[in-house]
Formats: sequence, C-alpha cells, structure tokens
Amino acid sequence: ETGVTQTPRHLVMGMTNKKSLKCEQHLGHNAMYWYKQSAKKPLELMFVYSLEERVENNSVPSRFSPECPNSSHLFLHLHTLQPEDSALYLCASSQDLGIPFFGQGTRLTVV
Amino acid sequence: AQSVTQLDSQVPVFEEAPVELRCNYSSSVSVYLFWYVQYPNQGLQLLLKYLSGSTLVKGINGFEAEFNKSQTSFHLRKPSVHISDTAEYFCAVSPTLRTDKLIFGTGTRLQVFP
Repeated sequence: ETGVTQTPRHLVMGMTNKKSLKCEQHLGHNAMYWYKQSAKKPLELMFVYSLEERVENNSVPSRFSPECPNSSHLFLHLHTLQPEDSALYLCASSQDLGIPFFGQGTRLTVV
Repeated sequence: AQSVTQLDSQVPVFEEAPVELRCNYSSSVSVYLFWYVQYPNQGLQLLLKYLSGSTLVKGINGFEAEFNKSQTSFHLRKPSVHISDTAEYFCAVSPTLRTDKLIFGTGTRLQVFP
C-alpha cells in the first residue's frame, strides 16, 4: 500500500447506527486531517492531528469523534448522524502541517 | 478573512482546445496559492503551487498557472486539453504553509468533449 488509504470507500448507514471511517498513511508524515466535501461547497477542514495531538477542531458536531492512535492511523467515529451529514469524507496527511496529500475518500450516505 | 472565488462552476470544452479556469482570492497579506485536481471517485491531487519567485508556475499534466498580485488572481491554463483532463479543479489559498490555514474554493468542473 502506498500514499493515503481510506476504508471503506462507500458507506450507507441509518441515523441510529454507529460506524467508523479508517485512514492509514504510508508516507511517514506526522500530521493527519479529516475533511468534509459536500456538493457545491468548499472543502471543510474538520479535524487536525499533529504528532498524534489534536490541534484544531473546527466546531464539528459531537456526533463526529476522531481518534488518532499513532501517526499513521486516523479514525472518524460516527453516531446518530443526520441526512445532511451525507458527503465525501477525505483524509489527508502531511509533514509538519505542510502541503496535504489526500486519500481517495469515503462516500457516506445517511438514510 | 481570506476567501477564494472560482467564478465558473462548469467549463465545457472540446478536446485539443485551450482552457482557462479562473481563480480570484481576497487577502491583505502575502499568500501561497495552490491548484488541486479531483478525478471522478478520487481524492484531491496537487496540480501545482505558487510559493514565491516566478509568477508563472508549471504543474503536472501540462497545466500552468500565473500569479497576478495586482488582480489577486491565480488562473489555471492548458493550451490543449485531453478527454482525460475531465475532472473537478479546486483553487486554494493560505497565508502560511500550514495545511490548517488552507482555504479552498468551491471548484470548477472541467468537461472535455471529443
């Protein structure tokens, strides 16, 4: 595996479900990010981790919970989501919070 | 606060024709500028970046962009497009080289027809 890998690529979940998105980077970077991409809207930065410490949380609802167990792995735990949370969720990594390298994304549909 | 405007949400063009995708930004300080490309069902890939120096920046796949400070623009150009260039293109600006300060535009969908 190379680059930034996200699993699953597609996810359909009900509003009462609990699921997790996984991201793994094979680039030796020390920072990782979650972004939300909705149609016709700019990319929204959700969470930033640098050296496994969260450095930014852009007012994201508590139904999204990130976890960064080490510098290579990042999770986004989801629970009681709303239909408006349906979007493409992109993970990215960088060295020293520099230019990000993106994964392919997880297409999430909340029904 | 900084902002990025991509005026064209869609740009249709025939194969081998030239194309320009427009990007304007608002900032009172020095900025770093980026173009990303997103192919269908893929993540974002860095196309090119302006950090300093020459205002004409060359990127991958034959694309180039010109930084115009007086017009606060960073338009993306390609002299002859291919079908494979069909994708979404995002302009982004940052006052620093920190990712967490990166502001993205809403994107321009380039559709290349045969």
